[in-house]
Amino acid sequence: NAGVTQTPKFQVLKTGQSMTLQCAQDMNHEYMSWYRQDPGMGLRLIHYSVGAGITDQGEVPNGYNVSRSTTEDFPLRLLSAAPSQTSVYFCASSYDEGRAFFGQGTRLTVV
Amino acid sequence: AQSVTQPDIHITVSEGASLELRCNYSYGATPYLFWYVQSPGQGLQLLLKYFSGDTLVQGIKGFEAEFKRSQSSFNLRKPSVHWSDAAEYFCAVGQNFGNEKLTFGTGTRLTIIP
Repeated sequence: NAGVTQTPKFQVLKTGQSMTLQCAQDMNHEYMSWYRQDPGMGLRLIHYSVGAGITDQGEVPNGYNVSRSTTEDFPLRLLSAAPSQTSVYFCASSYDEGRAFFGQGTRLTVV
Repeated sequence: AQSVTQPDIHITVSEGASLELRCNYSYGATPYLFWYVQSPGQGLQLLLKYFSGDTLVQGIKGFEAEFKRSQSSFNLRKPSVHWSDAAEYFCAVGQNFGNEKLTFGTGTRLTIIP
């Protein structure tokens, strides 16, 4: 039972490059979310999804895109990386009246 | 908009001493409340959650939390801390049934001294 799997674990990007952070869950959870964690700020919601084909913006969506073509996968795309996007990114999945399960995180550095 | 406040950025306690981490929330309806713990370089592990019912909830690793509606608080407690409890602790509130939109506090870093 893998739970929530994020890849890669570490990534260094140059300013302006694009990349996709992968997130997959094997629990058949309806809901999935992306958060970023910055020192002293806790976790902040970037985008979330309430089911395949349905996504919406969270608190800090600028510079990120998401899509949800299947229940299992919820990739996060950085269109043109900026140093301000240096952060640790967490993907989570959850279910009705259930807790959120978090992946191990992706540490992204933009230089 | 909902918010979560953890007023203590850093707490240091002696091993074997009791612990209380504070959490206050702002939310119009009855919230879904969570405490998560994060060890350095790791993901978040759920300690306990409150959805409804008994306001004193028990979690893993000997932790408990009490929901006090009148004070909008959900403080985390442990009667006797162990060195392995050193970590960062996050309080979070969910606004929807699916808890896909969690609002986190800024965290409290716990240091344990021998």
